Amino acid sequence: DIQMTQSPSSLSASVGDRVTITCRASQNIRFYLNWYQQKPGKAPNLLIYTASSLQGGVPSRFSGNVSGTDFTLTISSLQPEDFATYYCLQTYTTPRTFGQGTKVELK
Amino acid sequence: QVQLQESGPGLVKPSETLSLACSVSGGSLRSYYWSWIRQPPGKGLEWIGYIDSSGSTKFNPSLKSRVTISADMSESHFSLKMTSVTAADTAVYFCARHGPGIVDLDYWGRGILVTVSS
Repeated sequence: DIQMTQSPSSLSASVGDRVTITCRASQNIRFYLNWYQQKPGKAPNLLIYTASSLQGGVPSRFSGNVSGTDFTLTISSLQPEDFATYYCLQTYTTPRTFGQGTKVELK
Repeated sequence: QVQLQESGPGLVKPSETLSLACSVSGGSLRSYYWSWIRQPPGKGLEWIGYIDSSGSTKFNPSLKSRVTISADMSESHFSLKMTSVTAADTAVYFCARHGPGIVDLDYWGRGILVTVSS
């Protein structure tokens, strides 16, 4: 199975901050990675697919990048509604595997 | 707009079989792949398996021996069965669609909490 190592597991930030979350794949998955936002009691919501493509309706402050097997999700200016848990998902092969999650909390 | 809705019992006894259904509206089962994913309380997400548009299935090796996914293409719903459940199978179970091309898991149901307890 492909292991997805996500970091940090949590972070504290303020409104307006720039936030970066990283996922590292245990092997080459090309650009086959999605990012999701999950709020308590809700299903994950797709933000980014194929590493850097913004899903329709997602604000442009969210962006994704890839360098080798390292993937990053950046929120350029954190908004109150962005406090949530974020997950990466490799979509290269089965079994699909998720990162452990990053909880973004208010500082 | 595609919508998915999970249904089934919220409580299952240990050693019994968990059975869930996912109803799909706004899209045809024949056009996409469809997955089940679960999330134990307070923990991360685990992919269980999918059924493709031809009815073929793939599963997470960690669960493969206990899981079946089937679909009724004409009725627009697909199902999950998991045998010999234990407390470790207590989780919120989500159904989701693999979107067009390489988008992958784009639409999700709201999830259903299944507790395994006697």
